[in-house]
Order: sequence, then structure tokens, then C-alpha cells
Amino acid sequence: DGGITQSPKYLFRKEGQNVTLSCEQNLNHDAMYWYRQDPGQGLRLIYYSQIVNDFQKGDIAEGYSVSREKKESFPLTVTSAQKNPTAFYLCASSMDWGTDFTEAFFGQGTRLTVV
Amino acid sequence: GDSVTQMEGPVTLSEEAFLTINCTYTATGYPSLFWYVQYPGEGLQLLLKATKADDKGSNKGFEATYRKETTSFHLEKGSVQVSDSAVYFCALSHSGGSNYKLTFGKGTLLTVNP
Repeated sequence: DGGITQSPKYLFRKEGQNVTLSCEQNLNHDAMYWYRQDPGQGLRLIYYSQIVNDFQKGDIAEGYSVSREKKESFPLTVTSAQKNPTAFYLCASSMDWGTDFTEAFFGQGTRLTVV
Repeated sequence: GDSVTQMEGPVTLSEEAFLTINCTYTATGYPSLFWYVQYPGEGLQLLLKATKADDKGSNKGFEATYRKETTSFHLEKGSVQVSDSAVYFCALSHSGGSNYKLTFGKGTLLTVNP
């Protein structure tokens, strides 16, 4: 079945450690996104990528990094510089046909907890 | 910049009650509008969408009409079920220069009691 797979579902990190969240899609979508969800805050965009080997900062990129070496993969690294990393992280993808935006498809999310 | 404002929750209803969740937006040009639903512990699923003024999106008994004159996209359902309990997000995107992302409202938690 086509879809977006995020792993792991739950992740625990010690303070000062970097951690990488995986996101893979087999929908052949061009664009991929990372969002952070906090209670009462809605979703905030961290990074997005419209094509391979290119990505842009979103609204809250500080303390995060990404790569887009393959069309189907868009991993997110939460670095030790992120001051408050405990959150629910959502990856999404969409077909990006220039001006014809279509809906985004979301993964099941990764809940990151700093211990 | 773009923004989406939706009614704050939580909203608690009895089964078979009528549901309205208000959503208004601020954006330049002609955005596309969406409602997404999130069940506990899961990602978001697209519920319905509308891409131009006066379009009505509908799915699973839910409806929303794109009202450009009032910049609104209110979600309605005539008779809710316990299984509709979830968080609902209103969102917009631009078809144009800023089409790379969705802007979300803060979400409205709906609880339906039997």
C-alpha cells in the first residue's frame, strides 16, 4: 500500500544527544514536510523540501536539521541545540506541481520525549 | 502573513447532535481550504477540501463551504457519532508562489458522548 512511514513511533532521548527521526514515502511525491505538534499550538512547520537535494527552513527550524538525498526519504535530526524538543513530530508529503497544490498526506507521527 | 483561526475547544456533544466548528482565515489571493482530522495518537487525515469560492467540500457526512466574502470555511455535520471524537484542524494553502506549505489552525477537540 502507498503511504508515509515514520519511525520509530516513540523515541526517548537524553539531554545533549542528537536524534534522527525517519520518514519514508512511496507515493512518488515531490514535496515533503516536517511539522511539530504541541498541545494547544496546532502544527508548526519545521522544514520542507520540494525536490531532491533542496530544502527550506520553515517557521521553527532552529535546533533541527534535515537532508533530502532521495525522493522517498526526508529524515529530521533533532540536535542538542533544540531547547525544548519534547513534542509530537509529523512528516507529510504532497505532489508539488508548481501552482497546482494538492493535499498533504501525513505519517502516523513520532512522539519524542527528552528524559 | 497567512493565518487560520478556529473555534477553541473542547467541544462536547451527545450522539446525534448537530456539529459546527467555525474557521476563518486571513490570506492574500485565493487559497485552497482544508479540514483535517486527527484521531488519538495518529497522524492527520484529510477530511475534505475546497479550492475556490463557493465550493462545498463533503465527506463522511461532514460539509464545509468556501465563503470568500466572510473568509470562512465552517465545518458542519448533521448528526455526530461517538466515532467522530477527534481533533479537527482547519488549514489553508496558496495556489501560487507560496504553495509549498499548509497553514493550520490550532485544532478543536471534539468529544461525542453516547
